[in-house]
Amino acid sequence: DAMVIQNPRYQVTQFGKPVTLSCSQTLNHNVMYWYQQKSSQAPKLLFHYYDKDFNNEADTPDNFQSRRPNTSFCFLDIRSPGLGDAAMYLCATSRDLRGGENIQYFGAGTRLSVL
Amino acid sequence: AQTVTQSQPEMSVQEAETVTLSCTYDTSESDYYLFWYKQPPSRQMILVIRQEAYKQQNATENRFSVNFQKAAKSFSLKISDSQLGDAAMYFCAYSAGNNRKLIWGLGTSLAVNP
Repeated sequence: DAMVIQNPRYQVTQFGKPVTLSCSQTLNHNVMYWYQQKSSQAPKLLFHYYDKDFNNEADTPDNFQSRRPNTSFCFLDIRSPGLGDAAMYLCATSRDLRGGENIQYFGAGTRLSVL
Repeated sequence: AQTVTQSQPEMSVQEAETVTLSCTYDTSESDYYLFWYKQPPSRQMILVIRQEAYKQQNATENRFSVNFQKAAKSFSLKISDSQLGDAAMYFCAYSAGNNRKLIWGLGTSLAVNP
């Protein structure tokens, strides 16, 4: 089945140790998103790619970076994780359709713990 | 600014009963889409239902239906014959124009009691 896959499901890292989360999709969607979601909160958009065009949210810390080497894969790099970066990270994809018809398809998420 | 408001942080319903989750939004756009997403505990976010603003007919997907009141900027979700598997966080979201981003409400946590 076509889907959005996030690896790993759970990631533990040490304070300040770089970590990379990965997302892959078989939907062939041209837009990919990374969200941060803390407990019982709405997802917070960090950035998104439209094809290879990177779009950063104004309030996304510099500590968060992203790479999209091809249509299928997208990575979230956290250069120096702090305790406040412990959260669920969600990857989503969508086709770029007209008029805000923006159905997003989500992966199961990676839960990041920072020790 | 476009905003989405969910005024009910938590709701509960008895199994087999009907529950309505509220959502209001603010926009000056005329062409937009509204969505309800469901996020079960420890499971992925999935789309429940969507509504196109230019369609007057309320969207329906099996036991899920919406009451879309464009003038009032209201978009409530009705779940009929509630099942234990409906227990989840429900997010209302909005998208418009060429913006690829969703504006999210804060969510409503729904408990289904057996």
